[in-house]
Amino acid sequence: GAGVSQSPSNKVTEKGKDVELRCDPISGHTALYWYRQSLGQGLEFLIYFQGNSAPDKSGLPSDRFSAERTGGSVSTLTIQRTQQEDSAVYLCASSLASTRGSGANVLTFGAGSRLTVL
Amino acid sequence: AQTVTQSQPEMSVQEAETVTLSCTYDTSENNYYLFWYKQPPSRQMILVIRQEAYKQQNATENRFSVNFQKAAKSFSLKISDSQLGDTAMYFCAFISAGKSTFGDGTTLTVKP
Repeated sequence: GAGVSQSPSNKVTEKGKDVELRCDPISGHTALYWYRQSLGQGLEFLIYFQGNSAPDKSGLPSDRFSAERTGGSVSTLTIQRTQQEDSAVYLCASSLASTRGSGANVLTFGAGSRLTVL
Repeated sequence: AQTVTQSQPEMSVQEAETVTLSCTYDTSENNYYLFWYKQPPSRQMILVIRQEAYKQQNATENRFSVNFQKAAKSFSLKISDSQLGDTAMYFCAFISAGKSTFGDGTTLTVKP
């Protein structure tokens, strides 16, 4: 697609339920990142994919969080047994492979998924 | 691990004037990229400008330019002829081989 697409744009759920957030990156972008942003705050790194592999999962805050990427394209971030502190905007970004060049490492962001846990 | 520090949580500037946002970082990497992103109230993150660490020349993009001091690990953003549409939160970011770190952001308000 022309840009990074995230769905749903807004999700309200009850504490304890599981949620899935989807990211569809720009076609041809091999790198994919997930971030969490609380209201008025900076971006908290969650996980990075290169192709289907996740060489860096260091940002996942707990074992309730997991992510996968299939076919080197779509990624899903799953939060199990949601808690109120999980409420935030979850941003996805993609980029060309990490090599030199005009587009290398330039992150293109989706519009985010706002999660509210009641 | 790398860190990115934006020491100015909030700034304001009069329309048409110039403002500089500061950013410092710390890393042991030698090859990396630095970015400034803008996030208006719409929430969409927009690339403002990019700098490759191996290039000595400061990047410019229309009214936006950077002052990249590699030895000092400093990467400031200058906005010339500020416009009302520049009002947003600005994030400094460091990326190297998949590792990405963002600063806490500077909220810039352009006043008419």
